[in-house]
Amino acid sequence: KQEVTQIPAALSVPEGENLVLNCSFTDSAIYNLQWFRQDPGKGLTSLLLIQSSQREQTSGRLNASLDKSSGRSTLYIAASQPGDSATYLCAVRHTGGFKTIFGAGTRLFVKA
Amino acid sequence: EAGVAQSPRYKIIEKRQSVAFWCNPISGHATLYWYQQILGQGPKLLIQFQNNGVVDDSQLPKDRFSAERLKGVDSTLKIQPAKLEDSAVYLCASSGQGYYEQYFGPGTRLTVT
Repeated sequence: KQEVTQIPAALSVPEGENLVLNCSFTDSAIYNLQWFRQDPGKGLTSLLLIQSSQREQTSGRLNASLDKSSGRSTLYIAASQPGDSATYLCAVRHTGGFKTIFGAGTRLFVKA
Repeated sequence: EAGVAQSPRYKIIEKRQSVAFWCNPISGHATLYWYQQILGQGPKLLIQFQNNGVVDDSQLPKDRFSAERLKGVDSTLKIQPAKLEDSAVYLCASSGQGYYEQYFGPGTRLTVT
């Protein structure tokens, strides 16, 4: 059974700092992994999608990596800004049936 | 391109009452998902449709929850009767063919009193 864990559960950093959010999964038979951001009281916004055959994806100040063999993905945020404050969720899509499993998220607070 | 639409945005009901949520996916997206998100947790998949057919409903409490997707487009999720533990945000998402990148609607916040 696939389990997805995100560490840390919460993180507070000063503006301008580079940071890394972690996502680990127990079953490497994945189709893809998607990172989302969720603002309070809102739905999820897709940030990056990594296919199982890819090692990383980049969008602006965000870079996501995937290491299937170790069951890990990281989301790197460069030069953090207060507007980056949100909850970041990773979701793993399994190859068998394409079922999606989410982690519990990391709550990020960037201080001005 | 219009996003995923959901209604209502908020709903308050008493336990044992029934409630229905509606979702309109992004045009052309064949796959539609319903998730339940309890406060402080990640979303949990309730049901996944591929066009009109159900791909996965293994985590749907079928004694009280039901869902349908009309003509492979809109979908409704119903709870009857509601319990206190059903208080959550119900999220709808859709994805197109190929990479199956999921796009989410704003969600419906349900409070059961």
